[in-house]
Amino acid sequence: DTGVSQNPRHKITKRGQNVTFRCDPISEHNRLYWYRQTLGQGPEFLTYFQNEAQLEKSRLLSDRFSAERPKGSFSTLEIQRTEQGDSAMYLCASSSQRLANTGELFFGEGSRLTVL
Amino acid sequence: AQSVTQLDSQVPVFEEAPVELRCNYSSSVSVYLFWYVQYPNQGLQLLLKYLSGSTLVKGINGFEAEFNKSQTSFHLRKPSVHISDTAEYFCAATTGGGNKLTFGTGTQLKVEL
Repeated sequence: DTGVSQNPRHKITKRGQNVTFRCDPISEHNRLYWYRQTLGQGPEFLTYFQNEAQLEKSRLLSDRFSAERPKGSFSTLEIQRTEQGDSAMYLCASSSQRLANTGELFFGEGSRLTVL
Repeated sequence: AQSVTQLDSQVPVFEEAPVELRCNYSSSVSVYLFWYVQYPNQGLQLLLKYLSGSTLVKGINGFEAEFNKSQTSFHLRKPSVHISDTAEYFCAATTGGGNKLTFGTGTQLKVEL
């Protein structure tokens, strides 16, 4: 069973460096979501794609953040000029349009970012 | 916009005891409600969902939740917990349309012997 895969699982970086996370969704899913989870908080929505189109971006997604899904399959989330406040778990989820319309998402294990 | 509140950040309980994890929501429109579970070092997994119809919904692993519109609540219950239920539980809501879920801050359920 190939679920949602995220890489790397852990990333430690120095402030000011750029980082990129990759998400491979479940193959037949056309919806892909990015969430951020900080300590003691629930996941917060960042952005989502339907196929290759980015349909919504949260105000949490500052101009240092960019997400792409160039061929409608895997997605990348890049953070430029990282800040200590970017330290968090970045979660990717995928779904079919039918299931997504009723809120059922399939989450990966997350990529934990630590900015020193 | 909707919001989700989980007042209990941690709930300790002994094995085989019943448990209730509380969730309240606010929304100006109809919502769909969910409970997701996150076991240690695993991704979030859907436990159960309420879309419409019967207000009592049953999920995996013996959990159930009741939608109460007048109290704007969606509390999660299990009559007898097991050690393996130790996890973090998140209540979530969406108004549909397939865009985003709004999550609560989570409740850490710790089952002790």
